[in-house]
Amino acid sequence: EDQVTQSPEALRLQEGESSSLNCSYTVSGLRGLFWYRQDPGKGPEFLFTLYSAGEEKEKERLKATLTKKESFLHITAPKPEDSATYLCAVKLTGGGNKLTFGTGTQLKVEL
Amino acid sequence: NAGVTQTPKFQVLKTGQSMTLQCAQDMNHNSMYWYRQDPGMGLRLIYYSASEGTTDKGEVPNGYNVSRLNKREFSLRLESAAPSQTSVYFCASSRQGADTQYFGPGTRLTVL
Repeated sequence: EDQVTQSPEALRLQEGESSSLNCSYTVSGLRGLFWYRQDPGKGPEFLFTLYSAGEEKEKERLKATLTKKESFLHITAPKPEDSATYLCAVKLTGGGNKLTFGTGTQLKVEL
Repeated sequence: NAGVTQTPKFQVLKTGQSMTLQCAQDMNHNSMYWYRQDPGMGLRLIYYSASEGTTDKGEVPNGYNVSRLNKREFSLRLESAAPSQTSVYFCASSRQGADTQYFGPGTRLTVL
């Protein structure tokens, strides 16, 4: 069965304390892996798409990487405004338009 | 561009009542989707429409119907609401042939 698992469930960081969020997947065939940010009471906001192992994408303090089994979202010197839930999703080859989501990592960055 | 818009933002229903959730996008996207989000579970696909005039079931379609009214609008109907349908509902859209989906702000539905 296709599965997407995110860890940790929750993470508390001090401002400036870098860390990584993990998204591991067990799927029959990966077409793409997506990272979204979700603020409380809002819809998911697209961050990155990764398609092949070794690929990296960056945006401000965020960098996403992909291997054959997992993806990492690295957060460098986070600020309180980076506090949000980060969602990972996969699209499967032959899976049509369906995205399979993980349950997310809730990140809180404190001063 | 407003992107993806959803109405209403909040709704409370009694068991057995019906309602329609509205979604519209102004990005000229061909594909549209309805998801539900429940605590401790990932977003789950209810129905999607790959293009105007077509709709397909997703992972959790039971108890729902959809209508792709035109290219811009995709509605989700609950004919007889049940407490198990208490959830936050998100609409999303994507360009034809593109993988990235863009989400609306959500509708928080409570069924008593």
